[in-house]
Formats: sequence, structure tokens, C-alpha cells
Amino acid sequence: ETGVTQSPTHLIKTRGQQVTLRCSSQSGHNTVSWYQQALGQGPQFIFQYYREEENGRGNFPPRFSGLQFPNYSSELNVNALELDDSALYLCASSLATSGWETQYFGPGTRLLVL
Amino acid sequence: KQEVTQIPAALSVPEGENLVLNCSFTDSAIYNLQWFRQDPGKGLTSLLLIQSSQREQTSGRLNASLDKSSGRSTLYIAASQPGDSATYLCAVQTGANNLFFGTGTRLTVIP
Repeated sequence: ETGVTQSPTHLIKTRGQQVTLRCSSQSGHNTVSWYQQALGQGPQFIFQYYREEENGRGNFPPRFSGLQFPNYSSELNVNALELDDSALYLCASSLATSGWETQYFGPGTRLLVL
Repeated sequence: KQEVTQIPAALSVPEGENLVLNCSFTDSAIYNLQWFRQDPGKGLTSLLLIQSSQREQTSGRLNASLDKSSGRSTLYIAASQPGDSATYLCAVQTGANNLFFGTGTRLTVIP
């Protein structure tokens, strides 16, 4: 069973640029959630995708957008990067059935915005 | 809005000691509560998940309890080991299909 993978592991961008982060779900999972974890804080929910549709969104501006593909992998896109976007970005996959299942997290992508 | 608080923020204990980490949440309308472990710069590893109808879950040296009515959970670690050193996060899942996380407790187990 393949776990959740994310790429790249580290990324440095400058303010105003755009970035795309990628996540491959654990085999058999149909739901992907993205979280932002600032240094010293707990992760904060960005949004979730279920079967290629957005299925809930946290308190993040529209410049944070996402996609889920037919193979259930996912992308997080952030436009017009700001210094405060520097964080560890985590994706988590799960199998949504009749209830909430355990989310399995990837290792994260650490983004630094200069 | 759901808020999750973890106390203490940091904890150092000698190897072999038993310890308790605390988590509280403001809205008792949760589906479940999870405890995660996070090593420095790494992702999250799920340790225990307690459904809202359950009172506790056990896995090896770990035991988590849930008192939904009072908005509290504890994670008990028995016979701590240096390998237990990490940040422990609790998270509650609400009807919004997302997890609300606390800021974590950074545990150091001293050999």
C-alpha cells in the first residue's frame, strides 16, 4: 500500500509569484484535504476535494485554489504569494464512506516566500 | 467557531515516567477526536481516533480518553521513552468535514 506523497519537499519563492504543490493520495482513497501549518502552530484547513469536486473550504482567500484529478491526486495553487504564506503545506487523504475516516497525512511541502 | 487548546505547550520528563497531555475544545458537537504525532519538519502520524460515541481508545502504551460533554480529551503515555519525543497534536472533526487542530504539546523525554 503506497502512502501519501507530496512534491516538492521544499520550495523557495518570492513575493507575488505563483506556486503549485502536488499530492498523491494513498491507494484507494477518494478524498484529499489540504492544510497550512505556520511555524509553531497547528495545521489550518484550507479545503477538501471529494471525487474531483471541492467539498468544504476554510478561511483562506480565493488566491488559494485546488484541483483533484480522476486518479484522486491533487494540486494546491497559490497565486500572488505573500510573506505570510511561508509555511508547511500538508495534504491528507481518506476514504469517505458513510462517516469520517482517518486522514493519512503526507510529509508536507515547506514553502518559503522571500 | 471551534477552538482547540492544548496544555502544556511544552513538557520535559525523564525516561520511564508516565505522562498526560491535555486537549480542550469549545464546541462539543464533534464527530471524532484524533491525536497525532509530528516529528520536527515532518508530516503527521495518526495515533488514536476516538469516535464521538466512545470514551477511550488504547494503542500499546498510549491511551486517549474523550469527555465530549465537558469538551476535554487526554492522551496518556505510559513508561515514556526518548523515541516518544515529538509534538503531539489533537484535532476534532466537525460537520464541516475538516479537522480543527490545537497548537500542540512539544514533548521531550530525557534519557
